Amino acid sequence: NAGVTQTPKFRVLKTGQSMTLLCAQDMNHEYMYWYRQDPGMGLRLIHYSVGEGTTAKGEVPDGYNVSRLKKQNFLLGLESAAPSQTSVYFCASSSGQTGANVLTFGAGSRLTVL
Amino acid sequence: GENVEQHPSTLSVQEGDSAVIKCTYSDSASNYFPWYKQELGKRPQLIIDIRSNVGEKKDQRIAVTLNKTAKHFSLHITETQPEDSAVYFCAALLSGGYQKVTFGTGTKLQVIP
Repeated sequence: NAGVTQTPKFRVLKTGQSMTLLCAQDMNHEYMYWYRQDPGMGLRLIHYSVGEGTTAKGEVPDGYNVSRLKKQNFLLGLESAAPSQTSVYFCASSSGQTGANVLTFGAGSRLTVL
Repeated sequence: GENVEQHPSTLSVQEGDSAVIKCTYSDSASNYFPWYKQELGKRPQLIIDIRSNVGEKKDQRIAVTLNKTAKHFSLHITETQPEDSAVYFCAALLSGGYQKVTFGTGTKLQVIP
């Protein structure tokens, strides 16, 4: 039981390049989230999904796209990377059941955009 | 939407002393308040949580209190140890629906041996 797995762990991009971060969970969780973490700004929600085939915008969605084609996977895409997207990205999941609100986080993906 | 403010942003205490971190929230409908601990280079992990029908909850050296009227909640760590050094995040959530969690900006706690 791996929990939440993120790939890659580190990536360096040049401005304008594209990439996809993959999040996979093996807990049969309904809800999945992508957060970015920047110094002094806490964890800010980029996009989230409440089930397979659904996605929705969070607080800071601009410049990112997501897809949830399979229940266990949640992909975060950057179509044209910008230096402002340099950050640590965390994926998280939760069961979605009423009263079960605990987020399980992945280990994070550190992205640097030059 | 919900807005969560967290104070202080940094906190240094001597080993053995107590530490208190405070958060306020804006949406009176929020009913679940978790606290996450993030050690350096690691992922955030839940350490304690409280629901709106409870005023206080304890787990060994950590406790959380909730004042619904004032819309604030606090984390209390007693007899601090060096391994308590980490960044702590509070959060507020309206349970049910899509469970959007709003985090505070974090408190970096340093326990000085």
